[in-house]
Amino acid sequence: AQTVTQSQPEMSVQEAETVTLSCTYDTSESNYYLFWYKQPPSRQMILVIRQEAYKQQNATENRFSVNFQKAAKSFSLKISDSQLGDTAMYFCALNTGTASKLTFGTGTRLQVTL
Amino acid sequence: EADIYQTPRYLVIGTGKKITLECSQTMGHDKMYWYQQDPGMELHLIHYSYGVNSTEKGDLSSESTVSRIRTEHFPLTLESARPSHTSQYLCASSERGTYGYTFGSGTRLTVV
Repeated sequence: AQTVTQSQPEMSVQEAETVTLSCTYDTSESNYYLFWYKQPPSRQMILVIRQEAYKQQNATENRFSVNFQKAAKSFSLKISDSQLGDTAMYFCALNTGTASKLTFGTGTRLQVTL
Repeated sequence: EADIYQTPRYLVIGTGKKITLECSQTMGHDKMYWYQQDPGMELHLIHYSYGVNSTEKGDLSSESTVSRIRTEHFPLTLESARPSHTSQYLCASSERGTYGYTFGSGTRLTVV
């Protein structure tokens, strides 16, 4: 069985600053995929970034990047130049490739302030 | 445009009523999922389907039922709504788990 742990229930960052959200996971599979999802208040959940475990290069999408540490089973999300629109719940998720379901963490609520 | 649609967006209904939450996707995905989520809280998988006429219960026990008669349609039904069913219900679909999910906008249900 696989698990995903997000140890920060809530975080706050000032506009234009950088924030890092933590995620650790556990799986016995060698091939897997990791995701970060963003759920703004009362809005649709969207995929922020996807990382393939066999790729050593960290994925980036504009202001969003990950720090993927395979040996440590860590998958943190860095948001640079934070904007008010980044205020949301962020969920880390894992798919092991052999399964069709994602395993989600419990989420981190991020508040961006002026 | 390929997408996943949930209706209604908000629903307030009395105790004991039967309700169906609709979920449709236009992407041709075989795999579809229903999650229950209290506001600002974690996701709980309640039902999933890997294709037509295939449905399974998820990790969280739920009094709801689902059906999958067509690939694009995955409705969720509550035969007799209770206040404990008050929650947000999210529908998602995927082509393959390795690609992640596409989520609908959700239905926020309030049972009074």
